[in-house]
Amino acid sequence: DAKTTQPPSMDCAEGRAANLPCNHSTISGNEYVYWYRQIHSQGPQYIIHGLKNNETNEMASLIITEDRKSSTLILPHATLRDTAVYYCILRTNAGKSTFGDGTTLTVKP
Amino acid sequence: DAGVIQSPRHEVTEMGQEVTLRCKPISGHNSLFWYRQTMMRGLELLIYFNNNVPIDDSGMPEDRFSAKMPNASFSTLKIQPSEPRDSAVYFCASSPEATNEKLFFGSGTQLSVL
Repeated sequence: DAKTTQPPSMDCAEGRAANLPCNHSTISGNEYVYWYRQIHSQGPQYIIHGLKNNETNEMASLIITEDRKSSTLILPHATLRDTAVYYCILRTNAGKSTFGDGTTLTVKP
Repeated sequence: DAGVIQSPRHEVTEMGQEVTLRCKPISGHNSLFWYRQTMMRGLELLIYFNNNVPIDDSGMPEDRFSAKMPNASFSTLKIQPSEPRDSAVYFCASSPEATNEKLFFGSGTQLSVL
């Protein structure tokens, strides 16, 4: 399975943009990049996904580089409730979604 | 929509006992996934089904684990016999299709095997 690499932790000031990077240098042409987050011990929550174009929804924006080897999740105005573990994963044609260790984002007042 | 429903929320059992975890996927979703989460290993995919058929069970740890999906609205994950190292949070997720669709996770079952 194609793998992703994320920094283990990041801090962000409340009200500022949080930019979470993800490397996926072995991504295949038909694999989508998905982002999820997990707050405390709740089930992971879907945030956004994309193939090659940048995407935006009510929660976040996703920037995918032209070569698709990396992406960045942007939370435009982070709040304390955005403190969570953020996972970047690839969705294979076979349907498997393999989660890595994710990035623990801490939003500070 | 009630979302993915898992039961029980918490399960405490003794080593050697049989444990059955249950999951009701979102109505209309064709794919169902079982994950296990521990501090040491993170989120691991155990098995997933598409249209009630197991597609990939390569993540199932050993023969003590089995999963079934008798119909589109119900799945079970069974551990027999249970061991302390099986203690973890078990999540069920469903999606409309197996490929390139977002996953909807349940609240999980916290399993403690003493």
